[in-house]
Amino acid sequence: SQKIEQNSEALNIQEGKTATLTCNYTNYSPAYLQWYRQDPGRGPVFLLLIRENEKEKRKERLKVTFDTTLKQSLFHITASQPADSATYLCAERAGNMLTFGGGTRLMVKP
Amino acid sequence: SQTIHQWPATLVQPVGSPLSLECTVEGTSNPNLYWYRQAAGRGLQLLFYSVGIGQISSEVPQNLSASRPQDRQFILSSKKLLLSDSGFYLCAWGEGQATGVTGELFFGEGSRLTVL
Repeated sequence: SQKIEQNSEALNIQEGKTATLTCNYTNYSPAYLQWYRQDPGRGPVFLLLIRENEKEKRKERLKVTFDTTLKQSLFHITASQPADSATYLCAERAGNMLTFGGGTRLMVKP
Repeated sequence: SQTIHQWPATLVQPVGSPLSLECTVEGTSNPNLYWYRQAAGRGLQLLFYSVGIGQISSEVPQNLSASRPQDRQFILSSKKLLLSDSGFYLCAWGEGQATGVTGELFFGEGSRLTVL
């Protein structure tokens, strides 16, 4: 069965740097991958979606890539800010189900 | 605009007691509805989803059940809670599978359940 894997260790970076988070899938290539942001004690909020046939998608300071050869999606936040500190989740939708990775916590230090 | 409401926000229940969490969606019709559970520091585990009234799919065998008595109402229940039922429960809605639908989910604010 498909597994969505994210680095469980927290990522600590300095303000202004680019944060790069990784999402790997283990089996078939998803039709598309979604990225969400979750703040402590809150529900996740949708950020971006990238389709299988898209190499890259951008939205303001966010960029997502999709590499079907590596079975991987990368999520970048450029010019990171302390307000970007949160847990970021990637997810795959198959039919009516959305399967999430475990999330990576990002800490941006001023 | 669409909104999703989930309650209660926090509850502490003894082992063996019943549970009822309720979720309602406004501003859309025939949504797909979902219950997820999140253990501390962990990812989201899909518990149940529903594509229509009375239609419930269970993803994980457990001590919980779900019901959808109305189009925009989704209820998570248990007859007897276990310690392992503690966690952060999230309700979500999304559009059905259709051409052009990107499939993102919109989550409620969550219900934190502590079973003692």
